[in-house]
Amino acid sequence: QSVLTQPPSVSGAPGQRVTISCTGSSSNIGAGYDVHWYQQLPGTAPKFIMFSNNNRPSGVPDRFSGSKSGTSASLAITGLQVEDEADYYCQSYDSSLTWVFGGGTKLTVL
Amino acid sequence: QLQLQESGPGLVKPSETLSLTCTVSGVSITSRGYYWGWIRQPPGKGLEWIGSISYSGSTSYNPSLKSRVTISIDTSKNQFSLKLSSVTAADTAIYYCARRGGVTATPLVDYWGQGTLVAVSS
Repeated sequence: QSVLTQPPSVSGAPGQRVTISCTGSSSNIGAGYDVHWYQQLPGTAPKFIMFSNNNRPSGVPDRFSGSKSGTSASLAITGLQVEDEADYYCQSYDSSLTWVFGGGTKLTVL
Repeated sequence: QLQLQESGPGLVKPSETLSLTCTVSGVSITSRGYYWGWIRQPPGKGLEWIGSISYSGSTSYNPSLKSRVTISIDTSKNQFSLKLSSVTAADTAIYYCARRGGVTATPLVDYWGQGTLVAVSS
């Protein structure tokens, strides 16, 4: 059972918009800790695609955006492309001094 | 270009100790502001933070694993290591070594090793 809750799967057609939610609690996201997002392509290590809620590292297209409010955060992907098909994980920090991850969301591009 | 590479046995017997080493290249492991850590992923499942160590040797561990985990650093070899004792089948996972970047207040993993699969089986 992951500390942060994500939907197991989301899907969308090419060109569409999808959002992935990440729900925490008052001891992590709600305590003011930032949320980061990672993309994991099949058979590879994760890589960060969003940091500190809504900041994109260089090389990540602006089709990806992030937001945070209260005890939750979201990753939005617009103009879906086939290469976006991957697992996505949110991550934050908890007052128990633990780095916490969501359970992951599998994005399928139909 | 920073690179991290895990090494160690791919098979460990139940009740024994899992030992992995991460070799860092492209940057000194003693660079200020960075933390080095281990994250694991059971097959087909999500990510779990195991623990981390600072450039000065200060450690923090996941409370759920703390009694069994030791992370150490060898500055002369630019390496850091993981030991997980009394392993069971539940410890079967891909183990990633990783770096926490120094820019963000909330820990962010900005570099990952490629991961190594460790199976626990007799």
